Formats: sequence, structure tokens, C-alpha cells
Amino acid sequence: EVQLLESGGGLVQPGGSLRLSCAASGFTLRTYAMTWIRQAPGGGLKWLSSINANGVATHYTDSVKGRFTISRDISKNTLYLQMNSLTTDDTAIYYCAKTRRAATNYAMDVWGQGTTVTVSS
Amino acid sequence: DIQMTQSPSSLSASVGDRVTVTCRASQNIGTSLHWYQQKPGKAPKLLIYAASSLQTGVPSRFSGSGSRTDFTLTVSSLQPEDFATYYCQQSDSTPYTFGQGTRLEI
Repeated sequence: EVQLLESGGGLVQPGGSLRLSCAASGFTLRTYAMTWIRQAPGGGLKWLSSINANGVATHYTDSVKGRFTISRDISKNTLYLQMNSLTTDDTAIYYCAKTRRAATNYAMDVWGQGTTVTVSS
Repeated sequence: DIQMTQSPSSLSASVGDRVTVTCRASQNIGTSLHWYQQKPGKAPKLLIYAASSLQTGVPSRFSGSGSRTDFTLTVSSLQPEDFATYYCQQSDSTPYTFGQGTRLEI
């Protein structure tokens, strides 16, 4: 069964850092692009970042560019999101998702359950 | 950035109704448009990809159509489990933006 399991969320002070993990099972990250999406409390979905299947191409939305880094460890079949310089606006549920193809410009067909990040002093 | 505008923002309907949700892109995105369903406290679920292709396992009462800038999601006969929030998303160019969502209520 294809599954994604996020972890690493929690409470962090403004200016702090967190690294989110997304453990994949039932498929290999070497074959599909992956994406991080977040949802602020009571809000809609916001695409944050994607990485293609060979790990060469990464994309970010402007509000996280330079602060967040998407990466993966093929040996662990795990996707990461390193988040630095966090602000209260980063408070959200963070989802990882698998893309239907190797390139990033396809629909996301498998989603994790989400991990909650709260940025507060 | 490509802006995605959904209408209506909320919709009241009854079991058995046929409902349509519209998504408009601020520029031509071809058929790089996808629809997701999200229930409270749950992760989104892919319903339709590439504007009109039904994701495996999704009931055939869901359908999508459109191209370029105008797209629709139709539910032919609402079932109780269909009351949820629906989002469109474009993957033509980054950032891969979502619509603001359409809440389907009883």
C-alpha cells in the first residue's frame, strides 16, 4: 500500500527552525516527484515546494524561498522540509504529497495525514 | 503567479442534487487543472486530474471538464459523503496555486 507519514511538527518560537520528515512506503521517491503543501488554521491549501524524481529540480513559493529547503534521502525513502526563520504566519498543518509522475507539474495522488507546526512565543 | 478563483465559495445542496463548482484561471493553463476533496480533519483527496480524468477509485458521479481558463467539477447526484470542501489546483507553472475552496453543505 502506498503511504506517506509526516513527522517533525511541533511548537517553535519565532525565528526558530524545524525539520519535517515524510516517510514513504509502497513506492520509491526515485520514481515520483514530491510536494509539500500547508493549510493555515481555518484556511485553504497552499503549495509550498516540489522536488522532481531525480532530485535535480526544486521549486518554491516566494514566501518560503530562502527560508525552506526541500530534500530527500533515497536510502531512507524519506522527504524532508527544513524550515528556518519561522514566523507566526508559518503556523499550519503541513502535508507531503506524491505526484503522479516524475515531473512536478502533475496532480498529487497520495497525501500524508499532516503534521502540525505552531510558531508562537 | 496564476490566480485560481472558485465559485461559489459555499453551496447548500441536498442529497440527490446535481451540483457544479467552477474554477477560473487568470491565464491559459491548458488542462493542467486538478480537483481535490477535503473533509474536516482529513487530508485532501485527489478526485480529478488533468481537467477531466477520474482518479482511480473515485465514484463516477464526479466529473470534470474545461480547458484554458474555465473549468468545472460536477457531482451528478450528491451522496451524504460528498459534503466537503473542494479545491482546484493548477500545475501549469510554479507556484502551483490552489483555488480558495468551495464548501459544499447540506
